[in-house]
Amino acid sequence: IAGITQAPTSQILAAGRRMTLRCTQDMRHNAMYWYRQDLGLGLRLIHYSNTAGTTGKGEVPDGYSVSRANTDDFPLTLASAVPSQTSVYFCASSTADSTDTQYFGPGTRLTVL
Amino acid sequence: LAKTTQPISMDSYEGQEVNITCSHNNIATNDYITWYQQFPSQGPRFIIQGYKTKVTNEVASLFIPADRKSSTLSLPRVSLSDTAVYYCLVGDGEDTGRRALTFGSGTRLQVQP
Repeated sequence: IAGITQAPTSQILAAGRRMTLRCTQDMRHNAMYWYRQDLGLGLRLIHYSNTAGTTGKGEVPDGYSVSRANTDDFPLTLASAVPSQTSVYFCASSTADSTDTQYFGPGTRLTVL
Repeated sequence: LAKTTQPISMDSYEGQEVNITCSHNNIATNDYITWYQQFPSQGPRFIIQGYKTKVTNEVASLFIPADRKSSTLSLPRVSLSDTAVYYCLVGDGEDTGRRALTFGSGTRLQVQP
């Protein structure tokens, strides 16, 4: 059982380029999330999806978009990357019940130059 | 959003018990309290969750007083491998359709030999 996988592991990107971070889970969890974590800080929620076909904005959604075409996949797209989006990105999933324990992927380290 | 307050850092020695207290004065009636552990370059990992009184698993214990305005994570006999950042989280307690987990800066635990 893989749990949650993210790709790529790391990426260096020129400013202005488009980039999609991939996230796949095999736990059949209803809810999925994208967080960013800047150096030395906690995680901030970018976007979330409570179930396939629905998405919502988190704390820092500007410059990012997501889609949830099916239960397993939740890609995060940066339409035109900027240096301030340099961060580590974590994808997570949960059953979205009252206890809502989230399970995190290994992260993608993104550097925008 | 329910906000949490934790100490920024703590130091301990191998074999000691470590207690990390988190304040969440505005916790809502149906909020659970969840603790995560994060190692460098990894995603957060679920440690323990509780609603009231005491919860114990193979890793830690969680103590929650009757008013639920705080909680204490207890790590028995820590080892060097317990060096990590520990996050205390509560949900937003409202049926907003969003699982609004807010990660603060966490508590950086350093275990020394």
